[in-house]
Amino acid sequence: NAGVTQTPKFQVLKTGQSMTLQCAQDMNHNSMYWYRQDPGMGLRLIYYSASEGTTDKGEVPNGYNVSRLNKREFSLRLESAAPSQTSVYFCATTGTGINEQFFGPGTRLTVL
Amino acid sequence: QKEVEQNSGPLSVPEGAIASLNCTYSDRGSQSFFWYRQYSGKSPELIMFIYSNGDKEDGRFTAQLNKASQYVSLLIRDSQPSDSATYLCAGRSSGSARQLTFGSGTQLTVLP
Repeated sequence: NAGVTQTPKFQVLKTGQSMTLQCAQDMNHNSMYWYRQDPGMGLRLIYYSASEGTTDKGEVPNGYNVSRLNKREFSLRLESAAPSQTSVYFCATTGTGINEQFFGPGTRLTVL
Repeated sequence: QKEVEQNSGPLSVPEGAIASLNCTYSDRGSQSFFWYRQYSGKSPELIMFIYSNGDKEDGRFTAQLNKASQYVSLLIRDSQPSDSATYLCAGRSSGSARQLTFGSGTQLTVLP
């Protein structure tokens, strides 16, 4: 089992470009999350999906859109990248029970 | 104001000492708490979770929860250089769809 996978691992964009970050899980979990992590800021929730077909805004949703394509996949799209979106992006999932979140390896995004 | 607060550190302890990491939270409805360890350039991984008042021990790690004081701590006994990492405290907020709110993290360095 791969757990939670993310692609790409690294990306450099120019201001105004668009891109989609991909996340997939093989843990059969219902809930999936997108976070960004900036130095000294911890993890901040961008969007989450409690189940297939539903998505909701988190703490910092501006400039992002998401798609829960199916139970396994949850993508994050930047329509017009800005330097303020330079960050490390983590996808996470959680199932039932103790509510532990499992994280993917992250995507390091730089916007020039 | 962030709902989960941590002393950002950095915290340095000598090898073999006890490292004490602290976290306070503002949401009295928070039900369960998680400690994640994050090595530089890696994704967070769960160390411990706690949801009842008191202490919970797992090997060299002890989590403590005091709901009256809204305080969570993590003790690491016999600290090793391999424990050097950033430790993230997270709480599951009341009324949320299995969301976690993360603190900013405490950077721990164990000196050989």
